[in-house]
Amino acid sequence: DGGITQSPKYLFRKEGQNVTLSCEQNLNHDAMYWYRQDPGQGLRLIYYSQIVNDFQKGDIAEGYSVSREKKESFPLTVTSAQKNPTAFYLCASSTSGGFEAFFGQGTRLTVV
Amino acid sequence: KQEVTQIPAALSVPEGENLVLNCSFTDSAIYNLQWFRQDPGKGLTSLLLIQSSQREQTSGRLNASLDKSSGRSTLYIAASQPGDSATYLCAVTEGAGNKLTFGGGTRVLVKP
Repeated sequence: DGGITQSPKYLFRKEGQNVTLSCEQNLNHDAMYWYRQDPGQGLRLIYYSQIVNDFQKGDIAEGYSVSREKKESFPLTVTSAQKNPTAFYLCASSTSGGFEAFFGQGTRLTVV
Repeated sequence: KQEVTQIPAALSVPEGENLVLNCSFTDSAIYNLQWFRQDPGKGLTSLLLIQSSQREQTSGRLNASLDKSSGRSTLYIAASQPGDSATYLCAVTEGAGNKLTFGGGTRVLVKP
């Protein structure tokens, strides 16, 4: 059953903590992406990776970090430097050539 | 910088009426345009992908058109049903990394 799996579905973070969101895909896609969604602001790109061991900053990378050690995995760490981390985070991957994008079910992060 | 706009932000129609959703973009140098559906608290589901060389795509009751020269796409949903109630987002793929740039979405309510 191919797809993108994000975990956990809900995550709570205390002030000053780093947390890591998981994203795994079994679609054999080279490219993976992280987006943040806030009410009324649409989706904004945080980081993207076109190939293993390489990634680039998106529009709102400050306070976030990523790694791409395996083709299947693209974890996102929300660091304590991110001032307003409460949001819905979406991971995506895309095919080569046609660049059709597929999304996971999202992780809702709340700072408590 | 690419900007994607979806108007209206919200739409309410009676069941059975056809839906017309609009998407406009400022830079015509795109690889493709993709329409997504998002249910509350969920990830994005891909509905239709239109390559830059295509004029339209169809899937069941859904039809999407693309006019690159004018920077517009329209999603038509025939004979709407209450189950069509969701937020519809369009996104264009472009540039290094084949990144998606999203519109703000149109929230649709189909009333029985």
